[in-house]
Amino acid sequence: DIQMTQSPSSLSASVGDRLTITCRASQFIRNDLNWYQQKPGKVPKRLIYGASSLESGVPARFSGSAFGTEFTLTISSLQPEDFGSYYCLQHNFYPPTFGAGTKVEIK
Amino acid sequence: QVHLVQSGAEMKKPGASVNVSCTTSGYTFSTYYIHWVRQAPGQNLEWMGRINPSSGSTSYTQKFQGRVTMASDSSTTTVYMELSSLRSDDTAMYYCTRYGSGSFNVFDHWGQGTLVIVSS
Repeated sequence: DIQMTQSPSSLSASVGDRLTITCRASQFIRNDLNWYQQKPGKVPKRLIYGASSLESGVPARFSGSAFGTEFTLTISSLQPEDFGSYYCLQHNFYPPTFGAGTKVEIK
Repeated sequence: QVHLVQSGAEMKKPGASVNVSCTTSGYTFSTYYIHWVRQAPGQNLEWMGRINPSSGSTSYTQKFQGRVTMASDSSTTTVYMELSSLRSDDTAMYYCTRYGSGSFNVFDHWGQGTLVIVSS
């Protein structure tokens, strides 16, 4: 199975901060990577698909990028409602595999 | 509008089976695979398997081989996931999600989740 190494596992940041979350794939997965936000007790919500395409309705402060097997989710200016966990998902190889998640806390 | 609506929470005893349904609407049922993902309390998302509603073909992750069965009913556009020989570590939220061709259509819509609690 493809391993998705996600970092950091958690972080605490202030409103207005720029955040970067990274997922590294154990093999080349093209751009077959999605990013999800999950708030406690809620369903995962897709933010980014195809590594860098923004889901409709998702604020433009969220962006995704890719370089080889390394994928990055950036929040340009953290807002209070951005707390929660963030997961990457690769779907280039079966089975689809998720990163271990990044828990974001607002200071 | 696309909807995936799952059946309600279940409480089961160890060794029992649970059957979770996922009723879809708002799109052509046969054109998207349905995948099942679970999440134990405080844990990561874990892919369980998928079904092609058009052919009924299934693929399960090795961890659940022999314990999970997925089925579909095109007349009601509903997919079912049965997990047998339940253990306490099967306590989790179970989600269905759809998978179509092209990146845009991968795991875009999810069911609301079904909580399964396994306890004696």
